[in-house]
Amino acid sequence: DAKTTQPPSMDCAEGRAANLPCNHSTISGNEYVYWYRQIHSQGPQYIIHGLKNNETNEMASLIITEDRKSSTLILPHATLRDTAVYYCIVRAGGTSYGKLTFGQGTILTVHP
Amino acid sequence: DVKVTQSSRYLVKRTGEKVFLECVQDMDHENMFWYRQDPGLGLRLIYFSYDVKMKEKGDIPEGYSVSREKKERFSLILESASTNQTSMYLCASSSLGGGSGYTFGSGTRLTVV
Repeated sequence: DAKTTQPPSMDCAEGRAANLPCNHSTISGNEYVYWYRQIHSQGPQYIIHGLKNNETNEMASLIITEDRKSSTLILPHATLRDTAVYYCIVRAGGTSYGKLTFGQGTILTVHP
Repeated sequence: DVKVTQSSRYLVKRTGEKVFLECVQDMDHENMFWYRQDPGLGLRLIYFSYDVKMKEKGDIPEGYSVSREKKERFSLILESASTNQTSMYLCASSSLGGGSGYTFGSGTRLTVV
């Protein structure tokens, strides 16, 4: 499985964009990048995923570099409720198709 | 609203007891997963299932077993609970290709005393 590297923590002011980076330099051609977040004492929540094109939904945007070795999750207007641990995950293929392997994630703190 | 439901939010069991953690999803998903989450260790995959009566070991299956008799239900079994199995247990489900993302339950915090 491709490994991911994220900064352990980030801060963001409320109302500003939060840009969360992720490195996945060993990603293979058929692996997707997924983003989840986990608010304290709750199960992880799916945010967005992509293969090689940029993606946008009602929660966030995902920017994947052309070489696919890194990506950035963008929360365009962060709110206090976006304070959470954000996980960047590369989905495994082959016999473990569909399995998600979680790293340590980034603790995002949104300040008033 | 689609969801994954875990039967208990909090559970306290004694060492040596047999423990059943139940998970039900209403999305007709093929895949179901059991993770445990511990401080400093993150989420670790225990077992997963791609279909009824099928199961595969995850990264830390020792001390656990699973059962999937119906598509919507995936049970995690601790045959003889031990204190090192005190943890937050999270169930998840996804469609076969995972394209719609994975939906997690709210978790069961199990304490073994």
